[in-house]
Amino acid sequence: AQSVTQLDSQVPVFEEAPVELRCNYSSSVSVYLFWYVQYPNQGLQLLLKYLSGSTLVKGINGFEAEFNKSQTSFHLRKPSVHISDTAEYFCAVTRVSGNTGKLIFGQGTTLQVKP
Amino acid sequence: DADVTQTPRNRITKTGKRIMLECSQTKGHDRMYWYRQDPGLGLRLIYYSFDVKDINKGEISDGYSVSRQAQAKFSLSLESAIPNQTALYFCATSETGENYGYTFGSGTRLTVV
Repeated sequence: AQSVTQLDSQVPVFEEAPVELRCNYSSSVSVYLFWYVQYPNQGLQLLLKYLSGSTLVKGINGFEAEFNKSQTSFHLRKPSVHISDTAEYFCAVTRVSGNTGKLIFGQGTTLQVKP
Repeated sequence: DADVTQTPRNRITKTGKRIMLECSQTKGHDRMYWYRQDPGLGLRLIYYSFDVKDINKGEISDGYSVSRQAQAKFSLSLESAIPNQTALYFCATSETGENYGYTFGSGTRLTVV
């Protein structure tokens, strides 16, 4: 079975500073990896995903993530955050082979961008 | 119109009542899912369906049932609502292949009093 751990429940950061939201996963098989963002009172929006190929994945709104298979990590980064990036961020995985479509989520990280 | 539409957006119901949450999609995807979101727990899978005749339990299916009325419609029912079912519920669809990914609805906020 797969599991996901988001290492920080809250990350406060000042506007225009860089940020990294950490995600580690556990799986005995290959996985697909996703980052979603949830703005207040809204649904989930896909930021980026890793299916195969380059381990550095670029997403929307200036976010990027790097898949590190040896460390089983998929950390999300942004070089300069804006107030509008304040939201909850979820890391998620699903297995590749024998795919059931079941997406396993981490607990979420709340990014608080301060002026 | 949204690709995945959930109704209602908000609902308050009393303990013991039966309630149905509805989901419809225009994506043309075969796979549909119901998730529940609780603070600090992320999203957890309740039920999923690969087609009209293929319905599977997720990790927290107790107290819930589903119906896949058509490829585009997937409903979640709480037969006898209880307060700890108060949560934000999301419906999602997924496609496979090169464009593997999921599309989520806007969610239904359910409060059981």
